[in-house]
Amino acid sequence: AQSVTQLGSHVSVSEGALVLLRCNYSSSVPPYLFWYVQYPNQGLQLLLKYTSAATLVKGINGFEAEFKKSETSFHLTKPSAHMSDAAEYFCAVSDRGSTLGRLYFGRGTQLTVWP
Amino acid sequence: DSGVTQTPKHLITATGQRVTLRCSPRSGDLSVYWYQQSLDQGLQFLIQYYNGEERAKGNILERFSAQQFPDLHSELNLSSLELGDSALYFCASSVGGGRDTQYFGPGTRLTVL
Repeated sequence: AQSVTQLGSHVSVSEGALVLLRCNYSSSVPPYLFWYVQYPNQGLQLLLKYTSAATLVKGINGFEAEFKKSETSFHLTKPSAHMSDAAEYFCAVSDRGSTLGRLYFGRGTQLTVWP
Repeated sequence: DSGVTQTPKHLITATGQRVTLRCSPRSGDLSVYWYQQSLDQGLQFLIQYYNGEERAKGNILERFSAQQFPDLHSELNLSSLELGDSALYFCASSVGGGRDTQYFGPGTRLTVL
């Protein structure tokens, strides 16, 4: 089974600072990779996904993530944090080549943005 | 708004009871997934249906069952409820599977007293 590790259950940054949320996966075959965001009392919203081709993926709200096969990583970044970015972020993977699509989630990282 | 609807939004019930959670997928989506989110276990995949048929099972208890109807809506049935079943239950839908984006509903918060 897939395993996803998100380093840091809580990350705090100042408004305008760089946001870096870390995600590592365990499988030897690179999976499909996803970042979701969850605002309080809401469902999960897709930020971006990596399925093939370009290793630098741009998503919504100014976020991007880079797939690094050698490091089995898919870290999420944003150059300048905004107060509205405060939320919980989940990294998820699904098996490449599978038609099933079940997602394996990391434990999440709570992002706090200070004014 | 993801286009996925879930009812009810909140559910409070007692141990030993049975409840049904309902999900309507986005128009055109054939796959429906159920996930459980709890503080202990995080987000865990329960089960997937595709066009009315079960496709994959995850960590779903035997007390739990699901189905997808001809109109593609899905129901998750939870029986003999225990305190530990208290969680947020999400439904997601996608066109197919694999790399397709899953769109999540707002969830049903189940509290078992």
